[in-house]
Formats: sequence, C-alpha cells, structure tokens
Amino acid sequence: NAGVTQTPKFQVLKTGQSMTLQCAQDMNHEYMSWYRQDPGMGLRLIHYSVGAGITDQGEVPNGYNVSRSTTEDFPLRLLSAAPSQTSVYFCASSTPAIGTQYFGPGTRLLVL
Amino acid sequence: SQQGEEDPQALSIQEGENATMNCSYKTSINNLQWYRQNSGRGLVHLILIRSNEREKHSGRLRVTLDTSKKSSSLLITASRAADTASYFCAPSLNSGGSNYKLTFGKGTLLTVNP
Repeated sequence: NAGVTQTPKFQVLKTGQSMTLQCAQDMNHEYMSWYRQDPGMGLRLIHYSVGAGITDQGEVPNGYNVSRSTTEDFPLRLLSAAPSQTSVYFCASSTPAIGTQYFGPGTRLLVL
Repeated sequence: SQQGEEDPQALSIQEGENATMNCSYKTSINNLQWYRQNSGRGLVHLILIRSNEREKHSGRLRVTLDTSKKSSSLLITASRAADTASYFCAPSLNSGGSNYKLTFGKGTLLTVNP
C-alpha cells in the first residue's frame, strides 16, 4: 500500500513550456485534491475531484487543468508555465467516511 | 471551506518542554483538524476534533476546541527534536463530505532544540 504518490519529485521548466504532474493513490479514495505551497504560506487549493469524471476549481485554478478518468489518478497539467507557478505542489486524497486527507510527498517545480 | 489562523507563527523550545499552539477561525464548523509538515514533506494528519467535543488526546498530543470562542489549541507534551515541524489547523464547515477542500493557514513553525 503506497498511499499517495507523486511524480516527478523535482522539475525545472522554461517559461511557456507545458507539463503534467502525476498523482496516484491506491486507497480507493473518492476525493482527490491538488494544492500549491509557496514559501511562508499555507496550502492553497488548485483543483479537486469528488469522483471519476468530476472535477471542480479551487482557490487558485488559473493556468492549471485537471481530469479524473480513473479513481486512482488525478494529473495536474500546466498549460503554459509561468515563473509565478514556481512552487511546491501537493496532491491529497480522502473519503467522506474518514474525514482526513492523505498527502503525497510533493513535487518541487521551478519555472525559469 | 474556511481558513484557520495559527498563532504564534514561530515557537522555539527546549527538548522536554511542552509546546502550545493556537488556531482561530471565523464561522461555525463541524470539525477541526491538525496536520504536521516536516521540512520539505507532505502534510501528515495528527488529530480531528468534532464540534461537539471539547478535548481529545492522542499520545503526547492534546487538542482542545472552544466553539464559543472559535478557537482550538494543540499541546505537545514532553517535546522531542523530532517534533520540529510546521503545524497547521484546518477547520471544516461540513462533515467529512467536504474534506477534499480544506483550507490551511500559514502554520506555526515549531523548533525543538536538543
């Protein structure tokens, strides 16, 4: 049982490039979420999903796309990377029955 | 969702001492959760306290909730160097059904000196 996994661990992009941050969970959780964390800040919600085929925007969705074709996977796509998207990205999963979130180890993204 | 605000922003203590950090929020909640984040890692859930509970214990952790003051506190007793981390509270307006959109404040950075 690996929990929540994220790849890559670290990525450097040039402005304008696109990429996909991967997130997978093996706990059969219905809910999955993407957060970003900037230095000295808390986590801000980017997008979330309450089940396969269902996604919605969080607090800071601009510049990001998500899809949820399976229960296990919830990739986050950066369409055209900007320096303002330099951050640490965390994926989390949960279920209504548990009431808590399980976080992945994070992906550090640097946009030059 | 709503955001909790942790206080103090930073706390430095000696090993063996107790550490207390506080969380305030603005509207009625169903439950409040505390998470820990070690440097460079993902958040780890510590404890959840429901609105009808006033105090909860888990090992060396003690959480209190005062819904009339809209505040919570996290006490870590007999602290260890390994407790060095940032601590976040996450108040939740609804039951577990909306825990996919928790909102986190800036946290309290706890440093435990050996």
